[in-house]
Amino acid sequence: DGGITQSPKYLFRKEGQNVTLSCEQNLNHDAMYWYRQDPGQGLRLIYYSQIVNDFQKGDIAEGYSVSREKKESFPLTVTSAQKNPTAFYLCASSARPGGRDEKLFFGSGTQLSVL
Amino acid sequence: AQKVTQAQTEISVVEKEDVTLDCVYETRDTTYYLFWYKQPPSGELVFLIRRNSFDEQNEISGRYSWNFQKSTSSFNFTITASQVVDSAVYFCALSGGGVIQGAQKLVFGQGTRLTINP
Repeated sequence: DGGITQSPKYLFRKEGQNVTLSCEQNLNHDAMYWYRQDPGQGLRLIYYSQIVNDFQKGDIAEGYSVSREKKESFPLTVTSAQKNPTAFYLCASSARPGGRDEKLFFGSGTQLSVL
Repeated sequence: AQKVTQAQTEISVVEKEDVTLDCVYETRDTTYYLFWYKQPPSGELVFLIRRNSFDEQNEISGRYSWNFQKSTSSFNFTITASQVVDSAVYFCALSGGGVIQGAQKLVFGQGTRLTINP
């Protein structure tokens, strides 16, 4: 079955440490997104990519970095510069970049906590 | 600026009751799309419905129905005869003229946590 796989499901970060969240899709979608979800808040866009080797900052990109070396993969690195990283991180994809009517397909998320 | 407000943070009802989740949006765009997503305990958001700004027809899908009213900028979601499996967080989202360099820009509401008690 096609879908989006995020790993790990739970991740712990120590002070000063960078951690990387994995996102893989086999839907053959062009566009991929990273969202951050905090309790009682909606989803906020961190980064997005519409094509391999291209990505753009979203609304809250500071302290995060991404890469898109393969169409199927869009890993997110939470750097030590992100001072409040504890949140639920969701990866998503859509078939057509730029389609305002496009529905998003989501992974099951990664819960990141700070030790 | 675009904004989506889901004023109900949490709703708890007994199974078989009808329940309505409210969604109010703000946008200056004339063409826009509204969405509802469901987030079950497993975490992933699941697409429920999409409606464009030119189509104000209400929609029914089984026990689910949606009432879109441009005059009040609302896109409410009703579950009839609720079931325990409907328990989830529900998000309303808006996609409008804010296309960011070719990618879709969705603005999400804060979400409503719905609990259906047996």
